Amino acid sequence: KAGVTQTPRYLIKTRGQQVTLSCSPISGHRSVSWYQQTPGQGLQFLFEYFSETQRNKGNFPGRFSGRQFSNSRSEMNVSTLELGDSALYLCASSEDGRPPTFFGQGTRLTVV
Amino acid sequence: GQQVMQIPQYQHVQEGEDFTTYCNSSTTLSNIQWYKQRPGGHPVFLIQLVKSGEVKKQKRLTFQFGEAKKNSSLHITATQTTDVGTYFCAGPSNTGKLIFGQGTTLQVKP
Repeated sequence: KAGVTQTPRYLIKTRGQQVTLSCSPISGHRSVSWYQQTPGQGLQFLFEYFSETQRNKGNFPGRFSGRQFSNSRSEMNVSTLELGDSALYLCASSEDGRPPTFFGQGTRLTVV
Repeated sequence: GQQVMQIPQYQHVQEGEDFTTYCNSSTTLSNIQWYKQRPGGHPVFLIQLVKSGEVKKQKRLTFQFGEAKKNSSLHITATQTTDVGTYFCAGPSNTGKLIFGQGTTLQVKP
């Protein structure tokens, strides 16, 4: 089985721009969750999707949004980027009812 | 708000020594997960504990879930250099959001 695939792996953006990150879960997994990891705040939950529906959302501003497609692939979007959005963004997939089990390699976003 | 605290933040051990990290939640957890993240890598799921007082073993790793389901521990016997990394615990909040501890970074001197 192929693992969780996140694209792109690295991204550099300017303040004020927007960015879209992609996550392809393990085949058959319909649950996808997203996390932000920074040295200061650690791992923080962003969203969880299951069968195209957002099941839960973390405490992030509305600039952070996401969606899931019928093939379970998910995207997250960050608009009006701020320097503080620089982070490693991780997605994880799992079977329904299971904790996030398989993480992707992450997208390293740098905002300058 | 609900918090999950982990101690210690860092631990340096000599290869062969034991290591333990502790996870404490401000509220009762329905379950708890443990993950390991190697430097430059992504979190890898280790285990989920669900029952009060549960103890699970994976080779040299022993995981415990407290009787009150508010704390957990991960113990590694006879550490090896391959154990290097950051160990995170995580549990669901009362609204289902996953809350991670800050992690314990383990360094092992050969």
